[in-house]
Amino acid sequence: SQTIHQWPATLVQPVGSPLSLECTVEGTSNPNLYWYRQAAGRGLQLLFYSVGIGQISSEVPQNLSASRPQDRQFILSSKKLLLSDSGFYLCAWSTGLAENIQYFGAGTRLSVL
Amino acid sequence: SQQGEEDPQALSIQEGENATMNCSYKTSINNLQWYRQNSGRGLVHLILIRSNEREKHSGRLRVTLDTSKKSSSLLITASRAADTASYFCATDGGGAQKLVFGQGTRLTINP
Repeated sequence: SQTIHQWPATLVQPVGSPLSLECTVEGTSNPNLYWYRQAAGRGLQLLFYSVGIGQISSEVPQNLSASRPQDRQFILSSKKLLLSDSGFYLCAWSTGLAENIQYFGAGTRLSVL
Repeated sequence: SQQGEEDPQALSIQEGENATMNCSYKTSINNLQWYRQNSGRGLVHLILIRSNEREKHSGRLRVTLDTSKKSSSLLITASRAADTASYFCATDGGGAQKLVFGQGTRLTINP
């Protein structure tokens, strides 16, 4: 069966520090991969998605970047965090089929202080 | 941009009652999905309804879709305390490989 791992669960970082959040998927090949951010009590904002290795689509201009160095690995990064980068970050995968049902990780709560 | 808009933003009912949440969207879709999110956790897919379907059932869930009004509703029957969560609709109107999520309805079931 397929599983998705996202870590860490919680992260507190100072302003100006770098960020690296990792997401890996097991049990499937060539998944679509997604990074979302969720503000408190709000919906999901799509940040990046990838349909293959090295293929990254950015949805919102921002202080973040994403990379997909391996088929089932998706990394969210920042060189210098801003206060506004605080939030709940969710990774998700889908099979790439037309229905696009997405399967989510447990999320990372990022606090930038 | 967020296409789906859920209504109400928050709903509090007694255990055993039915809960109805609504979702409106703006563009043409191929399908609409509903997801559930427990506090501080990831989302879990509940049900998908295609644009050529008007109603779909799964256990205690009933989803309707009215493409002429660009709206959908999620009904949870005989609610339980464990149904307490946020519920989101998501449409594929943003492109074949993307979903656009609404702002969600926070559902509280009081024992």
